Amino acid sequence: DADVTQTPRNRITKTGKRIMLECSQTKGHDRMYWYRQDPGLGLRLIYYSFDVKDINKGEISDGYSVSRQAQAKFSLSLESAIPNQTALYFCATSDRGLPRNEQFFGPGTRLTVL
Amino acid sequence: SQQGEEDPQALSIQEGENATMNCSYKTSINNLQWYRQNSGRGLVHLILIRSNEREKHSGRLRVTLDTSKKSSSLLITASRAADTASYFCAAETSGSRLTFGEGTQLTVNP
Repeated sequence: DADVTQTPRNRITKTGKRIMLECSQTKGHDRMYWYRQDPGLGLRLIYYSFDVKDINKGEISDGYSVSRQAQAKFSLSLESAIPNQTALYFCATSDRGLPRNEQFFGPGTRLTVL
Repeated sequence: SQQGEEDPQALSIQEGENATMNCSYKTSINNLQWYRQNSGRGLVHLILIRSNEREKHSGRLRVTLDTSKKSSSLLITASRAADTASYFCAAETSGSRLTFGEGTQLTVNP
C-alpha cells in the first residue's frame, strides 16, 4: 500500500551493528505496528503503538526498540544486530475509527545480518 | 506461540477449481481476518468476520467461522492464476492485536 512506506527496502549489515528501520504513513491512522516474517512462517508482532505516547511490546520484542516520533512515523531499531534477526520486516497501520479493524501494510524491509 | 494454525500449508489446483483453506485458533477472538500476500510483498486485507457471524461473502470469497471449534475457513471459488499467493488468517484478540497463522501457499495453475 503506497500510503505506508518503509525505508530502506533492503539492508545488509554485520553482527553487532545498530540499524534503524523507518516507517511513514499518510493515512492519518493512529495505530502502528512492527512485525517480522521468517521464511515459510506467518507474521509475529514485535511492537505496537496506539498513539504517540502509547508503546507496547509484542510477542518478540527482545533485541528491538521502537520510537514513535509523530503520529505518522514509527521506527524500529536493532541496537546490536544478530544473524537470527535476518527476516522480512513489515510496518502496518490501523485506526480505531475504522469500521473494520483491518491493518494496512507497507511493502516490507528485507534485512540480512551477516 | 502462534494463535492461528492453517492447513494445508500448500495447495496446488487448476484454474477454475475452488480452493479451501482452514485456520484454527486458541483463544476467544473479536474477529478473524484473512490476508493475502504476493511473494515477498506486504499483506493485503481480504475479508473480516466478526465473532458473532457465521458466514460472510465478498465476491469470490466465502469465509465461515465456527467459534465452538475455534476454526475458520476461506473458500475461493472459480480460482484464477492471479489468485496465486500466500493466504494468512489473523485472529484479533482483546487489545486489538492480530495474531497471524503460518499461512497457506496457494498455486493456481493455468
